[in-house]
Amino acid sequence: DTGVSQDPRHKITKRGQNVTFRCDPISEHNRLYWYRQTLGQGPEFLTYFQNEAQLEKSRLLSDRFSAERPKGSFSTLEIQRTEQGDSAMYLCASSFGDRGGVEAFFGQGTRLTVV
Amino acid sequence: QQQVKQSPQSLIVQKGGISIINCAYENTAFDYFPWYQQFPGKGPALLIAIRPDVSEKKEGRFTISFNKSAKQFSLHIMDSQPGDSATYFCAASKGRSNDYKLSFGAGTTVTVRA
Repeated sequence: DTGVSQDPRHKITKRGQNVTFRCDPISEHNRLYWYRQTLGQGPEFLTYFQNEAQLEKSRLLSDRFSAERPKGSFSTLEIQRTEQGDSAMYLCASSFGDRGGVEAFFGQGTRLTVV
Repeated sequence: QQQVKQSPQSLIVQKGGISIINCAYENTAFDYFPWYQQFPGKGPALLIAIRPDVSEKKEGRFTISFNKSAKQFSLHIMDSQPGDSATYFCAASKGRSNDYKLSFGAGTTVTVRA
């Protein structure tokens, strides 16, 4: 499978715990995005990497959230001290930049439930 | 503040019918308008996309119509099939401004009745 891969698919955690999600983009894609989607809503942008550089962060990304993309390959999204409001689907997408375009391909997402 | 407004929230269509979903935007810097299809528990899948230099793009049973002056675009699903039952999202981004993040509409749930 050469698509965007996310792990885990589902995560249930207790409030206050830390969680980390992983995203493996399509191999030749230099741009990687994280989005959050709550039930009945469209995905909302969280952050974006070009290669290993984090170029933009949404105001939705509180200081409890951190994302990395070491060596411009896979990316991790960590949420510290989880809250019930963090329950959502976390989506990763990737795209190839030079096409002037933004054909972004999404992974299957990680469904987070904070109890 | 949602930058792309999508309607209707849901629609029901008979098999073989036409589904029409509409989106509107305000920011004239948007220059790339994709549509995504999402099934329950899955990530969004890119369906079709258009740039403002054309007024229509067709791929199979899916057609995007784009009205630059009205800042509106729509997705038409022709000959709707039960397998088309899904949630559809319109989106927009500003590629020429090197701003590639997507702003999504709230989604339209399409149900195709056999």
